[in-house]
Amino acid sequence: ELKVEQNPLFLSMQEGKNYTIYCNYSTTSDRLYWYRQDPGKSLESLFVLLSNGAVKQEGRLMASLDTKARLSTLHITAAVHDLSATYFCAVGTGTASKLTFGTGTRLQVTL
Amino acid sequence: KAGVTQTPRYLIKTRGQQVTLSCSPISGHRSVSWYQQTPGQGLQFLFEYFSETQRNKGNFPGRFSGRQFSNSRSEMNVSTLELGDSALYLCASSQGDSQTRYTFGSGTRLTVV
Repeated sequence: ELKVEQNPLFLSMQEGKNYTIYCNYSTTSDRLYWYRQDPGKSLESLFVLLSNGAVKQEGRLMASLDTKARLSTLHITAAVHDLSATYFCAVGTGTASKLTFGTGTRLQVTL
Repeated sequence: KAGVTQTPRYLIKTRGQQVTLSCSPISGHRSVSWYQQTPGQGLQFLFEYFSETQRNKGNFPGRFSGRQFSNSRSEMNVSTLELGDSALYLCASSQGDSQTRYTFGSGTRLTVV
């Protein structure tokens, strides 16, 4: 059974600081997704990573994928308050649309 | 381009009742998958429908069922509601291939009392 672990579960960081969220998964996969969720809201797609070594960046967020290590990272550069949310990674396997989600990382950016 | 529409947004039901939730995917998308989100269990896959056929199913009891219509709209039904079914139910729309991006709807917040 595929297991997806994220750490940390909670992250409090000051504005302007850098940090990384880690996503480890237990079996081979060909796609890795990152989502953002604001309280009481739905999931907003951030990145889709489809190959080993894939790196994608948007604004202050950068995601990477190492399929050999079964690890994806979400790096936050110079955090701002607007980035406060819960971030989920999700792993897809096979052709069917089944995603296995990590536990989520609640990010709180303080002034 | 219209997004994924889920109705209703909020629902309060009594234990033992049944409920039907609806999801209209993005135009042209043939796959709809459903997820349950709770504070304790996180986001869990319920099932996926592709071209009116259930293609994958998660580990939920038979009280949870779904279907998809020819226009790709999907419904999920939960019978004999239990308190533990209180959750945010999200549907995701996609083209259904292995390289796809999933777009989630706003969700239906179900409260069972």
